Amino acid sequence: EVQLVESGGGLVQPGGSLRLSCAASGFTFSSYAMSWVRQAPGKGLVWVSGVGGSGATTYYADSVKGRFTISRDNSKNTLHLQMNSLRAEDTAIYYCARVTNYHSDYWGQGTLVTVSS
Amino acid sequence: DIQMTQSPSSLSASVGDRVTITCRASQTISSYLNWYQQKPGKAPKLLIYAASSLQNGVPSRFSGSGSGTDFTLTISSLQREDFATYYCQQSYSTLVYTFGQGTKLEIK
Repeated sequence: EVQLVESGGGLVQPGGSLRLSCAASGFTFSSYAMSWVRQAPGKGLVWVSGVGGSGATTYYADSVKGRFTISRDNSKNTLHLQMNSLRAEDTAIYYCARVTNYHSDYWGQGTLVTVSS
Repeated sequence: DIQMTQSPSSLSASVGDRVTITCRASQTISSYLNWYQQKPGKAPKLLIYAASSLQNGVPSRFSGSGSGTDFTLTISSLQREDFATYYCQQSYSTLVYTFGQGTKLEIK
């Protein structure tokens, strides 16, 4: 059974940093691209970042470029999102999702990040 | 970046109604268009991929069509469990998969 479990969310002050993780199981992790999608309270889905199966290729939304870094550890079946210089507008639930054939077929339950003083 | 625009933003309908939601891309995306359903407090669920392919386990009352820049999601006969928010997503740009703003489907 495919499972994606996010962790690492929490309350952080503006300008601070946080590292999210997504533990994957039930599939060959290195064979799939992965992505992060966020959802601010009461708002829609926003694609944040994606990474190829090997980790060599990464992509970012303009709103997070230069502040967020996506990475993966294929030996540990884990996806990461390092978030620096956090702003109030980064407050959201962050979901990790598996990418296959140009769509996301499995999603985690999400982890809440709150940026506030 | 490719922009996705859904219409309407919200919709009221009754059980048994036929409902159509539209999605327009700011440039041609061939058939690289996906539809997701999201219920409150839950992760999104894939319904349709590649514009018209039904994800395994999704009821056949859901269907998708379109190519190029204009796409539709149709629910042929609304069931109570279909009341949710629906999002389109383009996957034409490599791993930069932007979403539409969502369509909230409510009970009339």
